[in-house]
Amino acid sequence: SAVISQKPSRDICQRGTSLTIQCQVDSQVTMMFWYRQQPGQSLTLIATANQGSEATYESGFVIDKFPISRPNLTFSTLTVSNMSPEDSSIYLCSVSDRPNEKLFFGSGTQLSVL
Amino acid sequence: SQQGEEDPQALSIQEGENATMNCSYKTSINNLQWYRQNSGRGLVHLILIRSNEREKHSGRLRVTLDTSKKSSSLLITASRAADTASYFCATGTGANNLFFGTGTRLTVIP
Repeated sequence: SAVISQKPSRDICQRGTSLTIQCQVDSQVTMMFWYRQQPGQSLTLIATANQGSEATYESGFVIDKFPISRPNLTFSTLTVSNMSPEDSSIYLCSVSDRPNEKLFFGSGTQLSVL
Repeated sequence: SQQGEEDPQALSIQEGENATMNCSYKTSINNLQWYRQNSGRGLVHLILIRSNEREKHSGRLRVTLDTSKKSSSLLITASRAADTASYFCATGTGANNLFFGTGTRLTVIP
């Protein structure tokens, strides 16, 4: 199993600002993912964070809005840029070390944009 | 959409009763997974059932899978107040191609 530390756990931000969320894993993992969960909704995959290369974004998500870094196999960041109230969501980091196996999740970042 | 759908959307039961929630999906899968989410925090993996399996148990959890009907059910027996949470099914062909359902919000009344 993997233990994931995600920071911050919550934040309240002003419109137009940016927030960077950190995800630290206690072991090296092959795959890291970032999800968004809008209020009362299910999870939507934002992107796969690739070590040493650009992240792979899902339809509807772009790098300018959600830049992602993954400098090594245990750490990744997601930035939510130029925020608007529509960005208010829970953002979740998750990892998997095998393609067809389960995901481990961080505790999430509750973001509110005023 | 490849997203699964859980049914019911919300379920309220008394402690000690069994809770059953269902998941339907649309595409071919390698496996189907169930996750629990407490109070909008991180998800916790409960159980994974592969496409060639029909039933799986883990403690008080029982999962069935019917690939011909593209559906699965999660049964929680002898429910406890601590089981109060949202439950999501997730389907897909791999970790980078996993789609989460809409969720069932379970409330267990002490």
